[in-house]
Amino acid sequence: QQQVKQSPQSLIVQKGGISIINCAYENTAFDYFPWYQQFPGKGPALLIAIRPDVSEKKEGRFTISFNKSAKQFSLHIMDSQPGDSATYFCAASRGTNAGKSTFGDGTTLTVKP
Amino acid sequence: DAGITQSPRHKVTETGTPVTLRCHQTENHRYMYWYRQDPGHGLRLIHYSYGVKDTDKGEVSDGYSVSRSKTEDFLLTLESATSSQTSVYFCAIRGQTNYGYTFGSGTRLTVV
Repeated sequence: QQQVKQSPQSLIVQKGGISIINCAYENTAFDYFPWYQQFPGKGPALLIAIRPDVSEKKEGRFTISFNKSAKQFSLHIMDSQPGDSATYFCAASRGTNAGKSTFGDGTTLTVKP
Repeated sequence: DAGITQSPRHKVTETGTPVTLRCHQTENHRYMYWYRQDPGHGLRLIHYSYGVKDTDKGEVSDGYSVSRSKTEDFLLTLESATSSQTSVYFCAIRGQTNYGYTFGSGTRLTVV
């Protein structure tokens, strides 16, 4: 049973465009929803995160939209740049459960110049 | 990666041999985790620790064991390596109040 489903598996966007990656979760006990960015040969790095008491969080060009009733959240990358080309993972965790995170399968983003 | 190092970075081993991977942190964080990353499977939790000598299993723990005798070190042991354990292994740490993970650079393990 996959608790966090991520789509699409891969995404190609033109420079300056908007990249959108979606995730859906099943466990309503999750209370922390981060996104990680991973470049080849590196470990994932925390990009932005949201808690379920807000519907949107923005940090620079990166925005998380959160829909609690639909159990979905998404990452929007505005004005996408070639340097944003990476693999993105969504995750979900419960703070009271040793913070174990369940990850989506990842989205490979390619931003064409 | 600041505050967390994994060793070795690369290892090739033979089927049936034991292998130990090391994760070392300088952040004094309570929580430490071992994940494996495989194409199409994202990151899957192997084992985690919530304190010295306090560990528990994740979703893919079969064939793996862990130990944490000091706050800073979390060891992952493949008791008898198999080809299905060929993967990239990541260690992660997490503080008490910030739920986000800091990952190490990973260990690429090949079992031949």
